[in-house]
Amino acid sequence: KNQVEQSPQSLIILEGKNCTLQCNYTVSPFSNLRWYKQDTGRGPVSLTIMTFSENTKSNGRYTATLDADTKQSSLHITASQLSDSASYICVVIPSGGYNKLIFGAGTRLAVHP
Amino acid sequence: ETGVTQSPTHLIKTRGQQVTLRCSSQSGHNTVSWYQQALGQGPQFIFQYYREEENGRGNFPPRFSGLQFPNYSSELNVNALELDDSALYLCASSLRQDGDEQYFGPGTRLTVT
Repeated sequence: KNQVEQSPQSLIILEGKNCTLQCNYTVSPFSNLRWYKQDTGRGPVSLTIMTFSENTKSNGRYTATLDADTKQSSLHITASQLSDSASYICVVIPSGGYNKLIFGAGTRLAVHP
Repeated sequence: ETGVTQSPTHLIKTRGQQVTLRCSSQSGHNTVSWYQQALGQGPQFIFQYYREEENGRGNFPPRFSGLQFPNYSSELNVNALELDDSALYLCASSLRQDGDEQYFGPGTRLTVT
């Protein structure tokens, strides 16, 4: 079973709308959780990094939340733009396993005009 | 752009052949990690090199090997290519090996026929 599960697998929204992507993980203990944006055929780019003690982290229109008790994280995108079309990947770094990032399969977001 | 470069961009090989992929890390970064990303999946950790030494390895067979040079650039070698090796290969560099932010290159798309 995947240690990091993301939902939905894909999502289509209209430009200007908000959306929320979900990440459930079983990795424990962990040192931090990250959200990456990956454009098609490109490498992932970091959006947010949260330690296990943080509840929320914002980066412009992107806001990530973390509930370590339920082992859930979400990424909220406000006022979506066409350039937000990409895959969004949740990554968990196990404690002591700093070099072994565990990636989810990603949510593919398409923003339509 | 992250400052991490990879070559070649695309590559087509036949089953049984060998391939070498290259990565130049961001200036000042002494750590390089390699990932394999199959279509529609999240990246899977292959291994990490820190100051020219292997510093952790994922669940990949020995025919996946690597090298890091004194200038911290790196190579990923894959012997006896199999059809399932077709994927996007990503490298990421970081300032330290202990969970520091990783900056990804654009990847090399390998197709094995």
